[in-house]
Amino acid sequence: EVQLVQSGAEVKKPGESLKISCKASGFSFTNDWIAWVRQMPGRGLEWMGIIYPGDSDTRYSPSFQGQVSISADKSINTAYLQWSSLKASDTAMYYCARRGPDVVTGYAFWGQGTLVTVSS
Amino acid sequence: IQLTQSPSFLSASVGDRVTITCRASQDIRNYLAWYQQKPGKAPKLLIFATSALQSGVPSRFSGSGSGTEFTLTISSLQPEDFATYYCQHLNSYTLCSFGQGTKLEIK
Repeated sequence: EVQLVQSGAEVKKPGESLKISCKASGFSFTNDWIAWVRQMPGRGLEWMGIIYPGDSDTRYSPSFQGQVSISADKSINTAYLQWSSLKASDTAMYYCARRGPDVVTGYAFWGQGTLVTVSS
Repeated sequence: IQLTQSPSFLSASVGDRVTITCRASQDIRNYLAWYQQKPGKAPKLLIFATSALQSGVPSRFSGSGSGTEFTLTISSLQPEDFATYYCQHLNSYTLCSFGQGTKLEIK
């Protein structure tokens, strides 16, 4: 069974760093892509970026380039989304999603989401 | 490439046929997917490659279009279909943008 299990909710202060995770199982982690999607409160979906854990090829949306870092550890089938200095505007739900080798098949599997709250 | 959905809000009744449109700012061939999202839940893939029905999705959902204009149709609304729907450009190389969403509400 394909599963993406994300780390738990986080409450942080502005300026703090954070790394959230997405643990994959039930498929070949090194042959598929893992994307990250942001959803701010009451708002729509925003594509942040994507990583191919097989060789760590990573692409970012221009809106998120330099704001976050996406990485993966293929030894433990886990992808990460990281901030070095959080802002209040980073408060959102963050989802990871699996994309298969063929891009046209879309994102059929999603994590349950990680809620990040940034507040002083 | 930007995706613009219309309408942003749609009010309909159980049994209605509804259509949501997604327009792309450039030709994206058939590289389009549709998702359904209910409050507090992750999005669910309904349609990929413009018109292919994801496994397990009821056949009342269908997708069509090509190039810059795409549609999602629900042939006969069921109570569980009231949700927000998003289109997504599927891109190998860079930004895979989403439309702004269409909230489907009960009339």
